[in-house]
Amino acid sequence: AQSVTQPDIHITVSEGASLELRCNYSYGATPYLFWYVQSPGQGLQLLLKYFSGDTLVQGIKGFEAEFKRSQSSFNLRKPSVHWSDAAEYFCAVALNTGTASKLTFGTGTRLQVTL
Amino acid sequence: GAVVSQHPSWVICKSGTSVKIECRSLDFQATTMFWYRQFPKQSLMLMATSNEGSKATYEQGVEKDKFLINHASLTLSTLTVTSAHPEDSSFYICSGQNSYEQYFGPGTRLTVT
Repeated sequence: AQSVTQPDIHITVSEGASLELRCNYSYGATPYLFWYVQSPGQGLQLLLKYFSGDTLVQGIKGFEAEFKRSQSSFNLRKPSVHWSDAAEYFCAVALNTGTASKLTFGTGTRLQVTL
Repeated sequence: GAVVSQHPSWVICKSGTSVKIECRSLDFQATTMFWYRQFPKQSLMLMATSNEGSKATYEQGVEKDKFLINHASLTLSTLTVTSAHPEDSSFYICSGQNSYEQYFGPGTRLTVT
């Protein structure tokens, strides 16, 4: 069964500093990988996704992520964090069942931004 | 982009009663919708996969008689929590699948008193 690990439960960065959120996956085939952001009491918003091709993917809000097959990782990065980026971030891997893609989520990383 | 709505956004009900949560895809047809449950400060746990016109597929450990799912059309899926108890209090989130992406609703917070 596939699994996703986000080693960091909570990260605090200063506004303007760079950010990297870690994500490791375990999956037998080429995964479909996603990063979502959740603000308190809200649903999830897709930041970016990787299906195939270029291993460095660009997303919304200035985020990017790099797929590294050798490390089974899909880390999320942002060069300069804004206070509005404070939220919960979830990495997810999709199991393609043919007609539907079931997502398995990591446990999430809560990002706090200090001014 | 693809938009999914949920109604209500929050609901309080008494123990023993049933409550229905609606999930609608507003600008796309979702053959498949998913229902998740999220406890405070935890990740999303998939409860069931809902396919239009057929029975839902429930994840292991989810009581299908307690969490009734109906996917009557390509734009509407409903989750009914039957005979609710305080331990059913949670944040319920649905998503609709469009191609290989899931688009999430804003969630429904259920409180059972």
